Amino acid sequence: QKEVEQDPGPLSVPEGAIVSLNCTYSNSAFQYFMWYRQYSRKGPELLMYTYSSGNKEDGRFTAQVDKSSKYISLFIRDSQPSDSATYLCAMSASSSASKIIFGSGTRLSIRP
Amino acid sequence: DSGVTQTPKHLITATGQRVTLRCSPRSGDLSVYWYQQSLDQGLQFLIQYYNGEERAKGNILERFSAQQFPDLHSELNLSSLELGDSALYFCASAESGDNEKLFFGSGTQLSVL
Repeated sequence: QKEVEQDPGPLSVPEGAIVSLNCTYSNSAFQYFMWYRQYSRKGPELLMYTYSSGNKEDGRFTAQVDKSSKYISLFIRDSQPSDSATYLCAMSASSSASKIIFGSGTRLSIRP
Repeated sequence: DSGVTQTPKHLITATGQRVTLRCSPRSGDLSVYWYQQSLDQGLQFLIQYYNGEERAKGNILERFSAQQFPDLHSELNLSSLELGDSALYFCASAESGDNEKLFFGSGTQLSVL
């Protein structure tokens, strides 16, 4: 069993919809949680970075962490075609980036 | 644009050969990380350098090596290449060694034929 599980998709939704992306994990020591967005033929780009539990909002993006359920989510409101990309969750028990474990990514497509 | 520069963008070579991938970090970043991304393994951490010194090792094969130079650019050397080494190789940089937010380059697509 992988430490971080992420549904690979693809997930296709109409423009303007609310998108929910999720990851589960098994290591209860994880404290740092991230979401990266990766466009085709590009490197991952950090979208959200949270420590411990709770919510964090940045524009149309909201990250939620539920440590009791070992479950994290990324919500995208008013989705746009430009949001079409692969979304990678990532997490770590340490503040050092060398310890980050990445999910396999969910491919998201927003239909105009 | 993340500010991290990787060259070349594409590399096609044959089994048994050796290649060198180059990375220039963002201005001011001291840490450089190398990752391998493949369809079956996802994004895998290979090795980290901080201000010229190796700081952490991940799933890096003995055929692979890296270094960081005084100007902070880094090179990843892959030798005795096998078909299974075909993948996207990313470099990422961060300001310091801890509490880091990574900035990724656009990657080098390596194809071993």
